[in-house]
Amino acid sequence: EPEVTQTPSHQVTQMGQEVILRCVPISNHLYFYWYRQILGQKVEFLVSFYNNEISEKSEIFDDQFSVERPDGSNFTLKIRSTKLEDSAMYFCASSEQGSVTEAFFGQGTRLTVV
Amino acid sequence: EDQVTQSPEALRLQEGESSSLNCSYTVSGLRGLFWYRQDPGKGPEFLFTLYSAGEEKEKERLKATLTKKESFLHITAPKPEDSATYLCAVHGSSNTGKLIFGQGTTLQVKP
Repeated sequence: EPEVTQTPSHQVTQMGQEVILRCVPISNHLYFYWYRQILGQKVEFLVSFYNNEISEKSEIFDDQFSVERPDGSNFTLKIRSTKLEDSAMYFCASSEQGSVTEAFFGQGTRLTVV
Repeated sequence: EDQVTQSPEALRLQEGESSSLNCSYTVSGLRGLFWYRQDPGKGPEFLFTLYSAGEEKEKERLKATLTKKESFLHITAPKPEDSATYLCAVHGSSNTGKLIFGQGTTLQVKP
């Protein structure tokens, strides 16, 4: 069964460092997303990406964040200068047809900023 | 503002004791309501999509229903392996596939 895969599963980084979280969406999906979940809180939308550009981003997704689809299979989230409050689970998701179909999520990357 | 509220926050059941989880939503022009299951430390696992009031979907011991203002996830004769957090989400008013999640209901089923 096709699935969304994320690497690494856990990343520890020092405050101020750059991190790149990687995702391989389901192969025939066209819409890609990043969400985050701070421990004990809701899953929050960060950004949606379609046709090689951002289609929507939340207030959380400020200039420190960027996304890229560097090739035909990977989708990355970069945080340029991490802060303590960036510590969270980050989930990548993909869907076939955006706001018409369901999204499938990866298992997440736990980011710990120290 | 688009919003999703789930209740109760936590639910403890004995094995075999049926119950329902509630999801109330406020969104202009519902394009889809989704139920996910989330195990600790894992990503949300898709369960159901509901598109219009009156629609019902079933999978094993779970049945999801939808009205114009809320959705219910009915759990019939639950087993310990049904223990998880159940998340409800709706597509936002924008047409980008963005999901707005509720805070979830954490279900514990005791043998």
